[in-house]
Amino acid sequence: LAKTTQPISMDSYEGQEVNITCSHNNIATNDYITWYQQFPSQGPRFIIQGYKTKVTNEVASLFIPADRKSSTLSLPRVSLSDTAVYYCLVGDGTGGFKTIFGAGTRLFVKA
Amino acid sequence: DAGVIQSPRHEVTEMGQEVTLRCKPISGHNSLFWYRQTMMRGLELLIYFNNNVPIDDSGMPEDRFSAKMPNASFSTLKIQPSEPRDSAVYFCASSPGAGGLYEQYFGPGTRLTVT
Repeated sequence: LAKTTQPISMDSYEGQEVNITCSHNNIATNDYITWYQQFPSQGPRFIIQGYKTKVTNEVASLFIPADRKSSTLSLPRVSLSDTAVYYCLVGDGTGGFKTIFGAGTRLFVKA
Repeated sequence: DAGVIQSPRHEVTEMGQEVTLRCKPISGHNSLFWYRQTMMRGLELLIYFNNNVPIDDSGMPEDRFSAKMPNASFSTLKIQPSEPRDSAVYFCASSPGAGGLYEQYFGPGTRLTVT
């Protein structure tokens, strides 16, 4: 399984755009990149998933360069409620995917 | 849909006692995952099932831990005997398919305290 590396923590202010980068140098051809968000005292929640280039949904955007060795989760205009831990996962798109959550990035949004 | 349901939400027990955690996955989902989360070790995958069959239990820490999925709508994680180091939040998650393409839906977790 490809290992991922993310910053341990990040601080931001309300209204700013936040970009969290994840490194996955050993990503395999079949691997997809998935991001989850976890609030205190809750289970993780799926945010976005992609394979290459750019993916956007109502919550975030995911940018993946051509070599796919990294990815960047972009949160536009964060609010206090975006304070959470964000996990980057890389896994095989075929059956038998074993989920490995790393330490994640703890984002703290200040007023 | 009610989402993934876990019970109990909190459990406090004494060392040596048997603990059973329960999970009801989202209807129609064919994959189920059990995780454990602690400050020290983060979120660890313990075991996952596909179509009620255990696929990978390599994350189960010891023989004291066992998990079953007798049908598509119910799973249990049992710890016998429990130890203080088992104190953690245990999450159950389900997904509509096996593999990394499928979003996992997590339950609210069971906070276990073993004294």
